Amino acid sequence: NAGVTQTPKFQVLKTGQSMTLQCAQDMNHNSMYWYRQDPGMGLRLIYYSASEGTTDKGEVPNGYNVSRLNKREFSLRLESAAPSQTSVYFCASSDGTSHSEQFFGPGTRLTVL
Amino acid sequence: AQSVTQLGSHVSVSEGALVLLRCNYSSSVPPYLFWYVQYPNQGLQLLLKYTSAATLVKGINGFEAEFKKSETSFHLTKPSAHMSDAAEYFCAVRNQAGTALIFGKGTTLSVSS
Repeated sequence: NAGVTQTPKFQVLKTGQSMTLQCAQDMNHNSMYWYRQDPGMGLRLIYYSASEGTTDKGEVPNGYNVSRLNKREFSLRLESAAPSQTSVYFCASSDGTSHSEQFFGPGTRLTVL
Repeated sequence: AQSVTQLGSHVSVSEGALVLLRCNYSSSVPPYLFWYVQYPNQGLQLLLKYTSAATLVKGINGFEAEFKKSETSFHLTKPSAHMSDAAEYFCAVRNQAGTALIFGKGTTLSVSS
């Protein structure tokens, strides 16, 4: 099992460009999440999907959109990238029960110039 | 609302010394608590979790944490530090809705020989 995979690993964008970060899990998990990690800020939740067909905003959703394409895949889209979106982005998944751990992907390091 | 505070953004210990990383939480419901570790340029990996079964929780790599309700704490300890323990450590609490994790800002552990 690959667990949680993310593509790309690195990306450099210019201000105003758009891109989609891809995430897939092979653990048959119901819930999937997108976080951003910034120095000294920990991880902050951008969006999550409790189950296939549903998405909800997290703590920092502005400037992002998401799509839960199917049970395996959850993508994050930046429509018009801004320098403030320079960050490391992590996708995670869990079976959705209250005590369950989240499994994390390796991350995407995004720089917006 | 749930929240997590990690005391000390950076902790330095000598190899063989006790490791103590502090985490205090705030929760309006019985908490589910987690410790994750992040090695450089990698995703997060679960060290251990508290789900009310036992107050002393043992995790991987010799780490353990004790849940103290009276002190609203969930500190992470390891009796003897190894060089390989150098990483960033995150404490997290399940949010009230049970839909996501709320992370602390992280503590970087340095281990010197």
